[in-house]
Amino acid sequence: SQQGEEDPQALSIQEGENATMNCSYKTSINNLQWYRQNSGRGLVHLILIRSNEREKHSGRLRVTLDTSKKSSSLLITASRAADTASYFCATVIQGAQKLVFGQGTRLTINP
Amino acid sequence: DAGVIQSPRHEVTEMGQEVTLRCKPISGHDYLFWYRQTMMRGLELLIYFNNNVPIDDSGMPEDRFSAKMPNASFSTLKIQPSEPRDSAVYFCASSPPGGWARPQHFGDGTRLSIL
Repeated sequence: SQQGEEDPQALSIQEGENATMNCSYKTSINNLQWYRQNSGRGLVHLILIRSNEREKHSGRLRVTLDTSKKSSSLLITASRAADTASYFCATVIQGAQKLVFGQGTRLTINP
Repeated sequence: DAGVIQSPRHEVTEMGQEVTLRCKPISGHDYLFWYRQTMMRGLELLIYFNNNVPIDDSGMPEDRFSAKMPNASFSTLKIQPSEPRDSAVYFCASSPPGGWARPQHFGDGTRLSIL
């Protein structure tokens, strides 16, 4: 079974609105990463948050991490059509030398 | 800076044929990963190398799959013989020294179709 599970599986919003995607995981982690994948392209790293951090910002992106609930959220503010993509969370499990990806959230920004 | 380069971008071949996928990681990166992406199973790690040495190949589905990294700037993933269920997008990724705290940089993948 997947370590990370994104919610929702698909999200469609209007340009300018904020988009929030959630990720839940099952076991203790060292860090959690978010990636974006445009259609037909490889994944692009967005942000990494360590297990001892609660929040990180990068431009219009805000990531939170709640280790007590084993969950993370990615917020994209003031969305743009170019943000249309699939977004994946990935976790590095404690004691395991592996980055495990969730199934992704497909985000569509309507102009 | 050049990113991770994969070739070919698309490959269509008949079952039973040998398929070789190629990857050039980013210079200076010492980790290299091979992933497979399908709608059903998502993104799966097949194998990864550190300093050209295979570290974990537990994700390689069968003996038909093999991967090599003869030097720091080149890796191959080979499937022999290929089967229709091998159809997927195969990604290569690399990351700089620092282990699992560093982000991975992905190529644009090889879309493989086995007829």
